[in-house]
Amino acid sequence: SSELTQDPAVSVALGQTVRITCQGDSLRVFSANWYQQKPGQAPLLVIYGENNRPSGIPDRFSASSSGNTASLTITGAQAADDADYYCNSRDDSGNHVVFGGGTKLTVL
Amino acid sequence: EVQLLESGGDLAQPGGSLQLSCAASGFPFSFYAMSWVRQAPGKGLEWVSLIYSGDTTTYYADSVKGRFTVSRDNSKNTVSLQMTNLRADDTAVYYCAVLVAVVTATPGADYWGQGTAVIVSS
Repeated sequence: SSELTQDPAVSVALGQTVRITCQGDSLRVFSANWYQQKPGQAPLLVIYGENNRPSGIPDRFSASSSGNTASLTITGAQAADDADYYCNSRDDSGNHVVFGGGTKLTVL
Repeated sequence: EVQLLESGGDLAQPGGSLQLSCAASGFPFSFYAMSWVRQAPGKGLEWVSLIYSGDTTTYYADSVKGRFTVSRDNSKNTVSLQMTNLRADDTAVYYCAVLVAVVTATPGADYWGQGTAVIVSS
């Protein structure tokens, strides 16, 4: 299996832009997906594949990738974006699923 | 409306067993791979297991391999996780999920239940 590495915590001023990154060798082969999780709630998919937003997800959420690093960008962060964010993908074998350790985003 | 409803979470003794179940509705269950994901208190998400729809191929995280068994009943739209030889570090909320990382035939398909809590303690 392989790992996905995220920074534990990131902060952003209200209305500013923030990028959350996810690194792992499997990202050279498989796309990253991004989840938002608020306390007491199940994770919510915000980005999947190359840069696709599920219905209902605001367009301030976007994603990109390069090499072994995937990034989630929030343009014009809102108070509602204060949450934990997790990346996930397949592992090197393609048979397992892996999650990053999560990034706690604080909107100041 | 898609629904995933987990049940079976409980307090268990170290070395004991529990069976979790997940009842699915609102989507073509028999065509979708199903996953279990857990989250220990104050910790991140950890993928636990996966069962495919066709040949019911299964995969497990190294941390549970040999102790947990996933199965499904497509006639009842249910997926189960039999957990044996439980350890304290199995304490977590267990989610039943359809994960977009696995289900590639339906773009964006990603569904989660509300979770069921397992506590392993003497």
